[in-house]
Amino acid sequence: KAGVTQTPRYLIKTRGQQVTLSCSPISGHRSVSWYQQTPGQGLQFLFEYFSETQRNKGNFPGRFSGRQFSNSRSEMNVSTLELGDSALYLCASSLEDRATETQYFGPGTRLLVL
Amino acid sequence: GENVEQHPSTLSVQEGDSAVIKCTYSDSASNYFPWYKQELGKRPQLIIDIRSNVGEKKDQRIAVTLNKTAKHFSLHITETQPEDSAVYFCAETNSGGYQKVTFGTGTKLQVIP
Repeated sequence: KAGVTQTPRYLIKTRGQQVTLSCSPISGHRSVSWYQQTPGQGLQFLFEYFSETQRNKGNFPGRFSGRQFSNSRSEMNVSTLELGDSALYLCASSLEDRATETQYFGPGTRLLVL
Repeated sequence: GENVEQHPSTLSVQEGDSAVIKCTYSDSASNYFPWYKQELGKRPQLIIDIRSNVGEKKDQRIAVTLNKTAKHFSLHITETQPEDSAVYFCAETNSGGYQKVTFGTGTKLQVIP
């Protein structure tokens, strides 16, 4: 099976712009989670989607949003970009949305905000 | 669970020695504890996990122990090799039963040949 894929891999934006990142889970996986990874804050949970519904949300401002499509592919959007949004954005998929399910990570999208 | 403390933040060991990384958590309802290894420039990958009904789990040179009473769990790597050099993250999950993983801050392990 193909692994989790993310597009684009690298992105450069300027402050105030918005960005959309895409994640395709492993075939058959229905849960997709998003994380922000920065050197200072480590891996922080953004949100999780299952069957097109957001199940959980982390402590991020409303500028961060996401959605999931019927084929389980997911997108996250960040509006009004700030310099502090520069990070590696990782998505992870799992078969189900239960907390004990193993997650598999994608390669990430590295976002640089200038 | 909202808080996971991980120690140490950096760890250097000689090749062949053991490495131990410890994590503590605050949510007594946490019930799943995975460990991830992230090599430089690569994605985190699950290396071992343990569920709350088990006290210890071993997979070749890697083992994890869980003490639910004290709310801490540890990763043990024996006979370390240079390819074990990476950042290791502990994590815990429990959020009404749904996926919401809280990660530790990571431990950068360097194995010196």
